[in-house]
Amino acid sequence: AQKVTQAQTEISVVEKEDVTLDCVYETRDTTYYLFWYKQPPSGELVFLIRRNSFDEQNEISGRYSWNFQKSTSSFNFTITASQVVDSAVYFCALRNLGGGADGLTFGKGTHLIIQP
Amino acid sequence: DARVTQTPRDKVTEMGQEVTMRCQPILGHNTVFWYRQTMKQGLELLAYFRNRAPLDDSGMPKDRFSAEMPDATLATLKIQPSEPRDSAVYFCASGLGLAGNRDTQYFGPGTRLTVL
Repeated sequence: AQKVTQAQTEISVVEKEDVTLDCVYETRDTTYYLFWYKQPPSGELVFLIRRNSFDEQNEISGRYSWNFQKSTSSFNFTITASQVVDSAVYFCALRNLGGGADGLTFGKGTHLIIQP
Repeated sequence: DARVTQTPRDKVTEMGQEVTMRCQPILGHNTVFWYRQTMKQGLELLAYFRNRAPLDDSGMPKDRFSAEMPDATLATLKIQPSEPRDSAVYFCASGLGLAGNRDTQYFGPGTRLTVL
């Protein structure tokens, strides 16, 4: 069985602070994909990034960066110089290569509050 | 800007009534997923289609839920009869259906269902 754990239920920081959201996953597969989605107050789920298990390079996109460490089964997400618009619930998700388990397994999400 | 669309956005109904939710996947996407989001369970997969054929509906209560794809541009999720415990946000997502699950799932805005 696969599992995604986001231990931080809620994080509150002041604008311009850096913040890291943790994600730890469990899977028996050697090939898999990891995702982050953002759910703003409006409710939709917005895709942020996909990473496959063979690519451990960190990725940076503007103020967002992701750190994938296979050795610790973690895929953490950092927002640099946070802004109020970053306030949302962030979900980490896992998808295996196939064999019937084609859906996403989501963590419970981290509610990020950026205070002005 | 291609998006997954869902109707209705909000639905309030009484226990025992039939509810039908509709989803239009992104044009060209051949995989469609239905997820349900509740406070208690988080985001969970209900059913999954590829090329209009149902591949996995193990997450769906079979006695009252049914999912279909009458054509490539329409997916439906029906609940009959509805119960208060069905109250949740139902998301539809679509993807390109690339081999090895390499594709990303793009989510619609969701249907917020309240069963009184």
